[in-house]
Amino acid sequence: GEKVEQHESTLSVREGDSAVINCTYTDTASSYFPWYKQEAGKGLHFVIDIRSNVDRKQSQRLIVLLDKKAKRFSLHITATQPEDSAIYFCAASPPMDSNYQLIWGSGTKLIIKP
Amino acid sequence: DTTVKQNPRYKLARVGKPVNLICSQTMNHDTMYWYQKKPNQAPKLLLFYYDKILNREADTFEKFQSSRPNNSFCSLYIGSAGLEYSAMYLCASSRDRPGGYAEQFFGPGTRLTVL
Repeated sequence: GEKVEQHESTLSVREGDSAVINCTYTDTASSYFPWYKQEAGKGLHFVIDIRSNVDRKQSQRLIVLLDKKAKRFSLHITATQPEDSAIYFCAASPPMDSNYQLIWGSGTKLIIKP
Repeated sequence: DTTVKQNPRYKLARVGKPVNLICSQTMNHDTMYWYQKKPNQAPKLLLFYYDKILNREADTFEKFQSSRPNNSFCSLYIGSAGLEYSAMYLCASSRDRPGGYAEQFFGPGTRLTVL
């Protein structure tokens, strides 16, 4: 079955710099890749996603890149701010008609240093 | 209100005793999920309800039960807690049928400690 890996368990960047969080997946049929953020003491919440018909998506300071050949996708946070500090989870999902669930990565803790 | 509520936030249980966790949402979502989350591990889907239909993952089939008496509430029941059940339990809901592209809304979690 599908496996999703997040290679960095912790990432530390200076405020104002960019942060990049990487994920890889194994199932070439996966077609949907969301990112969720978990702040301290709170539940996960959706931040951005990308579907396999595009290779780039941007929402304000967040950019997601998808490389289907390498089975890799990444979250880029530009001009980082203290409120970006959180744990970020990536996930992958097979096509909609499979009725199968998201497969999650283990999370990357992003620390924004002043 | 887009919040998912979970009760209790912290639960202490004895080995061999039952545990019942509660989740609620008022978004009229069709699907409600329960995940188990251990430190440095990915969230693990335990089961989900799509409307009134319960789907349990094959490897956790016998360990967890659930009920959904109405659209808003969903419980997670452990009949006999073992030490390995100590974890954060996350409830989530989504508007559409499970899988695919439905955004999931998560509660804050219940931290279960089994002693």
